[in-house]
Amino acid sequence: SQQGEEDPQALSIQEGENATMNCSYKTSINNLQWYRQNSGRGLVHLILIRSNEREKHSGRLRVTLDTSKKSSSLLITASRAADTASYFCATVLRMFSGGYNKLIFGAGTRLAVHP
Amino acid sequence: EPEVTQTPSHQVTQMGQEVILRCVPISNHLYFYWYRQILGQKVEFLVSFYNNEISEKSEIFDDQFSVERPDGSNFTLKIRSTKLEDSAMYFCASSVLARQASTDTQYFGPGTRLTVL
Repeated sequence: SQQGEEDPQALSIQEGENATMNCSYKTSINNLQWYRQNSGRGLVHLILIRSNEREKHSGRLRVTLDTSKKSSSLLITASRAADTASYFCATVLRMFSGGYNKLIFGAGTRLAVHP
Repeated sequence: EPEVTQTPSHQVTQMGQEVILRCVPISNHLYFYWYRQILGQKVEFLVSFYNNEISEKSEIFDDQFSVERPDGSNFTLKIRSTKLEDSAMYFCASSVLARQASTDTQYFGPGTRLTVL
């Protein structure tokens, strides 16, 4: 599989429930970022977690990173209908030669939150 | 809050025509990117640009593609002779290039939807 694979591919929940999305990757990373995309729209940056961090919070978002398992999870607590969107993880690879910062995206999780 | 802007929002062109997609990155940012997303597929990296030159490009970014920063604010992607398979959403992004790359966040524009007929 490719760098940055999310699961589930689709998630349908009721308002007020928590939504958990997972991301796995293959190679060593510099950081991992989560983005949100409303249907047909741009990518909104949600949160960045560095390779030496294990957990990060931002409002109702909680991101974890397990570099030993090469995986990350995004938890949205107390979901709202407005959270309906696609969520992508994107990794920045660790480049020992210095390197650059291109993002490698996963296929995303489509989240539907029903009122 | 500063944001990346892109024009046009939607471009329709005939196969074989040249198109120029325009982006205005956030003003104090130094690193610029183009990505594309074919309908229903992943967002794919095309090219990164720093200090007036290409830093890195993907296999997708062949001789039909070019990028330019013609002035202090715009960043453009040109496709010389469009193909049907170039139909996609094209996103511009910029980052400040933090001292520590591990914290460098890329901010994306709203995208240009390119339709090649």
